[in-house]
Amino acid sequence: AQTVTQSQPEMSVQEAETVTLSCTYDTSESDYYLFWYKQPPSRQMILVIRQEAYKQQNATENRFSVNFQKAAKSFSLKISDSQLGDAAMYFCAYWNSGYSTLTFGKGTMLLVSP
Amino acid sequence: DGGITQSPKYLFRKEGQNVTLSCEQNLNHDAMYWYRQDPGQGLRLIYYSQIVNDFQKGDIAEGYSVSREKKESFPLTVTSAQKNPTAFYLCASSISGAILSSYNEQFFGPGTRLTVL
Repeated sequence: AQTVTQSQPEMSVQEAETVTLSCTYDTSESDYYLFWYKQPPSRQMILVIRQEAYKQQNATENRFSVNFQKAAKSFSLKISDSQLGDAAMYFCAYWNSGYSTLTFGKGTMLLVSP
Repeated sequence: DGGITQSPKYLFRKEGQNVTLSCEQNLNHDAMYWYRQDPGQGLRLIYYSQIVNDFQKGDIAEGYSVSREKKESFPLTVTSAQKNPTAFYLCASSISGAILSSYNEQFFGPGTRLTVL
């Protein structure tokens, strides 16, 4: 079974700084999707960014970008120019094509200070 | 407005009682999912359905039941057999659950907080 590991339970960053959240996964598949979701205090899950494994180019969405290292099975999220509104729990997720389901990591709580 | 609704937002249950959590979507999505969220545990899959009248157990299905009689609805029943039901429950949907594509993006409802008294 696929597993997703987020080794940082909590991270802190100051406004306008850059922070990187780590995610590693285990799989024997060659084609898959990876996602980062954000869960603010409202607890509404919001998709931040997605990466298709067959694309070598790292995905980017405004201030959010990923560093996808397929051979290392690593999928980190970089947040540039951090804002107070970025404070949230961030979940890494792997699309399991065998079962057509998402497997989530345990999350990283991001704290942003002024 | 298209989206996923869950009701109620907060739910209280006495021990030994069954309770049903509602999940409705008007996105015309084929696939729907139920997750349980506990502190420090991330999201764990309870049940999922890729098409009407069909559903599969997820990782933690014991003590739960579901039905999928309509495309837009996927209610979750927490039975008295669930030993520790107090948690936050999230419902999600995606255009297709079966095909590996960008359609695998899941959209989430606002969640229901269940507390057993």
